[in-house]
Amino acid sequence: GIQVEQSPPDLILQEGANSTLRCNFSDSVNNLQWFHQNPWGQLINLFYIPSGTKQNGRLSATTVATERYSLLYISSSQTTDSGVYFCAVVGSNYQLIWGAGTKLIIKP
Amino acid sequence: DAMVIQNPRYQVTQFGKPVTLSCSQTLNHNVMYWYQQKSSQAPKLLFHYYDKDFNNEADTPDNFQSRRPNTSFCFLDIRSPGLGDAAMYLCATSRLAGLDTQYFGPGTRLTVL
Repeated sequence: GIQVEQSPPDLILQEGANSTLRCNFSDSVNNLQWFHQNPWGQLINLFYIPSGTKQNGRLSATTVATERYSLLYISSSQTTDSGVYFCAVVGSNYQLIWGAGTKLIIKP
Repeated sequence: DAMVIQNPRYQVTQFGKPVTLSCSQTLNHNVMYWYQQKSSQAPKLLFHYYDKDFNNEADTPDNFQSRRPNTSFCFLDIRSPGLGDAAMYLCATSRLAGLDTQYFGPGTRLTVL
């Protein structure tokens, strides 16, 4: 089955810094999503991005499907950006296959 | 406006005592999912409904059951909770299976004593 790898596993930054999170996947996919899980456990969908580039405020994402990776950019980090960022792709059975996540800590 | 609602947010049960978690949605989505998430891990799909069609993951224990009486509601029943079933349980919905965004509820954190 499809493998999803995220890097780095952990990231600690000062408030105001920029960051890039990476998601590699082992096969072609029709669906890729980025999620943010806040410290209270709520999972929030950030982007549905099987290809191309999208932006939403300080966050943007780019998926290069032909090279099997996606990047999530966070600019001018705020403490509320802390949490775990998951990348997930859809496998052959139409269910999400999740990466292990990147744990982001933003220090004030 | 809440779109996917889970109740209760925290549930404490005793070893072996049945428990039911509930999920409701205002999105009128066809698909509803139940995930189990343990600490520092990604969510793990237990099962999903596409309308009334139930789809069980192969490795979901028989101890876990689900009901979907109508489009809006879905329930997770744990017949005999063990200590290993302590986790966050997440409900999600999507309009279509696979090729669509999934929207998650806030989760129910289950403690088994």
